[in-house]
Amino acid sequence: ETGVTQTPRHLVMGMTNKKSLKCEQHLGHNAMYWYKQSAKKPLELMFVYNFKEQTENNSVPSRFSPECPNSSHLFLHLHTLQPEDSALYLCASSQEAGTGFSEQYFGPGTRLTVT
Amino acid sequence: SQQGEEDPQALSIQEGENATMNCSYKTSINNLQWYRQNSGRGLVHLILIRSNEREKHSGRLRVTLDTSKKSSSLLITASRAADTASYFCATDANTDKLIFGTGTRLQVFP
Repeated sequence: ETGVTQTPRHLVMGMTNKKSLKCEQHLGHNAMYWYKQSAKKPLELMFVYNFKEQTENNSVPSRFSPECPNSSHLFLHLHTLQPEDSALYLCASSQEAGTGFSEQYFGPGTRLTVT
Repeated sequence: SQQGEEDPQALSIQEGENATMNCSYKTSINNLQWYRQNSGRGLVHLILIRSNEREKHSGRLRVTLDTSKKSSSLLITASRAADTASYFCATDANTDKLIFGTGTRLQVFP
């Protein structure tokens, strides 16, 4: 619907599992972002990649590990998560980060439940 | 505390009425953006207004920005049931990242 796709759309995992979230953008953008959205909290920026280089890590715990192999793909590797990590994880892209801030295009999100 | 705060937190109106949502922020900005989110889905960009602009229109949307008061408003005219969603403002706070508010939940009844 917006040129940014995310898989899976829903994920249930135990605290000892390892899983990965995938994001792909078909918009020719150079910046990609991971956000966490928890109930009744503002959207929290987690990571920013600009031209494949990580430019922002917003004090995210090491159990979340991002990977950006190219400007079109972004992954979020998850391991030994906690129940409080249950949330909607949103990926976004924009033309470029840090240039007066253009609009961001969001994927549909992955609803993660940690049991 | 967060950069952007929307007001009201929730708004219920009838179809055809206008909906006004407000956003206040704390620091100087380069621009302010409004986004919409349908329940459990990704955000959709609606409109961007730069710090040197005072008003901007897009279809049934009208955004104003008052940098002296550090506030913005989003007006949706002639609302429709399909406008039911959460609406967020986001500011750059003169940094290279967007900071989102907690949103206004709009319910439009047919």
